[in-house]
Amino acid sequence: DAKTTQPPSMDCAEGRAANLPCNHSTISGNEYVYWYRQIHSQGPQYIIHGLKNNETNEMASLIITEDRKSSTLILPHATLRDTAVYYCIVRVGGGATNKLIFGTGTLLAVQP
Amino acid sequence: GAVVSQHPSRVICKSGTSVKIECRSLDFQATTMFWYRQFPKKSLMLMATSNEGSKATYEQGVEKDKFLINHASLTLSTLTVTSAHPEDSSFYICSVVQGRRTGEAFFGQGTRLTVV
Repeated sequence: DAKTTQPPSMDCAEGRAANLPCNHSTISGNEYVYWYRQIHSQGPQYIIHGLKNNETNEMASLIITEDRKSSTLILPHATLRDTAVYYCIVRVGGGATNKLIFGTGTLLAVQP
Repeated sequence: GAVVSQHPSRVICKSGTSVKIECRSLDFQATTMFWYRQFPKKSLMLMATSNEGSKATYEQGVEKDKFLINHASLTLSTLTVTSAHPEDSSFYICSVVQGRRTGEAFFGQGTRLTVV
């Protein structure tokens, strides 16, 4: 699975959009970009994923560059409960046996 | 999404004893489950892939005899930490991948193991 690079930490004001970047310059054509987050002392939570097109769901938006070498997770209106470590992972999509390998992630601190 | 339940959420045991952690997929039949370990302020480290009805596949550097994995049914995988030592103290998390097409993973709430 391709490696990803994320900033170790970011701050965001409550109510503002949080934009979390991720570089994945060695991504392969059949690899998806997945985002998960982990709130302290809990298991990770799935947020969103995409292959080429931008995606949006009730939690977030995912913007993938045209060359697919980087992406940005957008939390449109961050709340204090969004404070967590956010992990960007690239992985071959589909198949229940494909491993999910975590990098170091970005600690997002939402400030009141 | 799949609901994954882990038990216990916290356990304290004495050195030399063994501890069993259960991971249940409550609404999804999982032929494969994954076990992770996480040290404080560190990322999740994949330990092994649990395969229903067959032997688990361990990642490099993970001791098979120390971390016994059993996946006896499509809804239950267990991780047994044998002869536990203080350095085995950690946060253990299991996951299930659902979605044949998209492959989203869902995680248990984790088990905090403290060996004294």
